Amino acid sequence: QLQLQESGPGLVKPSETLSLTCTVSGGSISSSSYYWGWIRQPPGKGLEWIGNFFYSGSTNYNPSLKSRATISLDTSKNELSLKLSSVTAADTAVYYCASNTLMAEATFDYWGQGTLVTVSS
Amino acid sequence: QSALTQPPSASGSPGQSVTISCTGTSTDVGGYNYVSWYQQHPGKAPKLMIYEVSKRPSGVPDRFSGSKSGNTASLTVSGLQAEDEADYYCSSYAGSNSLGFGGGTKLTVL
Repeated sequence: QLQLQESGPGLVKPSETLSLTCTVSGGSISSSSYYWGWIRQPPGKGLEWIGNFFYSGSTNYNPSLKSRATISLDTSKNELSLKLSSVTAADTAVYYCASNTLMAEATFDYWGQGTLVTVSS
Repeated sequence: QSALTQPPSASGSPGQSVTISCTGTSTDVGGYNYVSWYQQHPGKAPKLMIYEVSKRPSGVPDRFSGSKSGNTASLTVSGLQAEDEADYYCSSYAGSNSLGFGGGTKLTVL
């Protein structure tokens, strides 16, 4: 049973870089059977896809983030990370990491519990 | 990046059936059989209920079913139970390895 746990600062200042980590247990983050993603949810609002990281090492991002997002893997720590630069108040949200273990397209069957990040000075 | 349209709310009495729609375009819902549905209870992470339009992950009751016609996908919950009260989100592949979500539907069990 895969388990995902997000961690990182709960408060980030405007214009700075948001950095989050997702620790994976119960499976290997370098498995060719999985891919990984980040999704966020502003308070009281809907879900927004941020991006994916595939086994091949390729990444895809939501164009609306205008190249501010970077997703990477640390296989030695079994961790997925997200960096979002030049944050504003609009980036305040609960950030979820998620994985696809179903060998299916465009879906996430395991999710972390989420971590709230507030952007404020 | 797609923006899928869902009704903001839906409701039904225990034992009844309710259907939630998710409307996109030919470049997302209509173009691929890659629609998923997620259930989210307050303060909790989303839970996958349906993937690839109509497939159920292990452990999801068969009261939940999915379908698609043209640019609109649907989630049907049969035999409504109190614990089905939650927010439901659809998502769809939108080409170029991108993903879009609907705005969410709050399901109330009366």
